[in-house]
Amino acid sequence: GDSVTQMEGPVTLSEEAFLTINCTYTATGYPSLFWYVQYPGEGLQLLLKATKADDKGSNKGFEATYRKETTSFHLEKGSVQVSDSAVYFCALSDSWGKLQFGAGTQVVVTP
Amino acid sequence: SAVISQKPSRDICQRGTSLTIQCQVDSQVTMMFWYRQQPGQSLTLIATANQGSEATYESGFVIDKFPISRPNLTFSTLTVSNMSPEDSSIYLCSVETASGTYEQYFGPGTRLTVT
Repeated sequence: GDSVTQMEGPVTLSEEAFLTINCTYTATGYPSLFWYVQYPGEGLQLLLKATKADDKGSNKGFEATYRKETTSFHLEKGSVQVSDSAVYFCALSDSWGKLQFGAGTQVVVTP
Repeated sequence: SAVISQKPSRDICQRGTSLTIQCQVDSQVTMMFWYRQQPGQSLTLIATANQGSEATYESGFVIDKFPISRPNLTFSTLTVSNMSPEDSSIYLCSVETASGTYEQYFGPGTRLTVT
């Protein structure tokens, strides 16, 4: 079945550092790919998405490119802030619209 | 996106009892889903709530344990029946607001503790 694997956390960074969270997937067909973010004490928010190969999703300075050849959707941000501290989930959607989530990666940004 | 509310936001329940969680959306949506997030874990899909018909459950989840209603296009309930401490989780509903986009927006969640 479909699955999503993302790097384990926690990832601890200093402010203004470069962030990469690796995400790879296994799926039949051509899923849509998503990054969701869960800030402390808040609900799950859609951060960005990509629906086909080579698409780049971007939002709030975060980017991720749908790489079909490597079945990856790595999340990047060039300069993180303390406010980016959160848990980040990579997810894919099958043709029925059901989401399969990765385990989540906690990111801690220190001043 | 859509504004999604859930009630209750949290509850502490005794084992053996049942709790019904409500999910209300401010606009009509085709797809509604229920997820569970166990402590420190990722989200797992429980079922797709189908309007006017029985919910579609994922492997490992059954209707007797998690009955779901979807009387219209803006409302759904999830009941956690005969609860045990292992049911302590955050339960979230989500909606797909634009058909075919596969973008899902989540409610704030219901934090359930079973003692």
